[in-house]
Amino acid sequence: EDKVVQSPLSLVVHEGDTVTLNCSYEVTNFRSLLWYKQEKKAPTFLFMLTSSGIEKKSGRLSSILDKKELFSILNITATQTGDSAVYLCAVGGSYNNNDMRFGAGTRLTVKP
Amino acid sequence: ETGVTQTPRHLVMGMTNKKSLKCEQHLGHNAMYWYKQSAKKPLELMFVYSLEERVENNSVPSRFSPECPNSSHLFLHLHTLQPEDSALYLCASSQVDEINYGYTFGSGTRLTVV
Repeated sequence: EDKVVQSPLSLVVHEGDTVTLNCSYEVTNFRSLLWYKQEKKAPTFLFMLTSSGIEKKSGRLSSILDKKELFSILNITATQTGDSAVYLCAVGGSYNNNDMRFGAGTRLTVKP
Repeated sequence: ETGVTQTPRHLVMGMTNKKSLKCEQHLGHNAMYWYKQSAKKPLELMFVYSLEERVENNSVPSRFSPECPNSSHLFLHLHTLQPEDSALYLCASSQVDEINYGYTFGSGTRLTVV
């Protein structure tokens, strides 16, 4: 059975800390792994990863995929209170179906 | 706005009511989705419409009935719901191609069944 597991489920840090969020997966016919940030309602897209070992970077956020060990990490450096959100990992597993399986998310709280 | 608009934003309904959720996308995508998000649970895929044809049902109870009249509009018709159906219902759209380009989500409808 396909599954996506995120850890930790919740995390509380102080501004300026660096955090690492984890996503492991077991999906048949892996196509891509995506990270989303959900603050209030609509998850917003962060990264899409399809190849192992290639880091995607956007400002203080970066992510990398390991297709051999079946996991991805999302790093946030110099955290700010605005980074407080639920971070969702999703894995696309079927060509032409475009189905995506989501993890339960990691709730990040950044305190001033 | 993300390009995917959902209405209403909030809905409170009794168990005997009939209501509909609406989703509209302005991105030219050819696939649309309904997801249910309950507290502390992963997003659950309910329905997929690709090229206006329903391709996945995922064993959703029949009290939820989707409708996709065209590639830009998606509805979720609700009737005789249960309190456990209270959740955030998210609509998403994407472009179906060789690669999953990822979804664009709407802001969701917060549904409370009383």
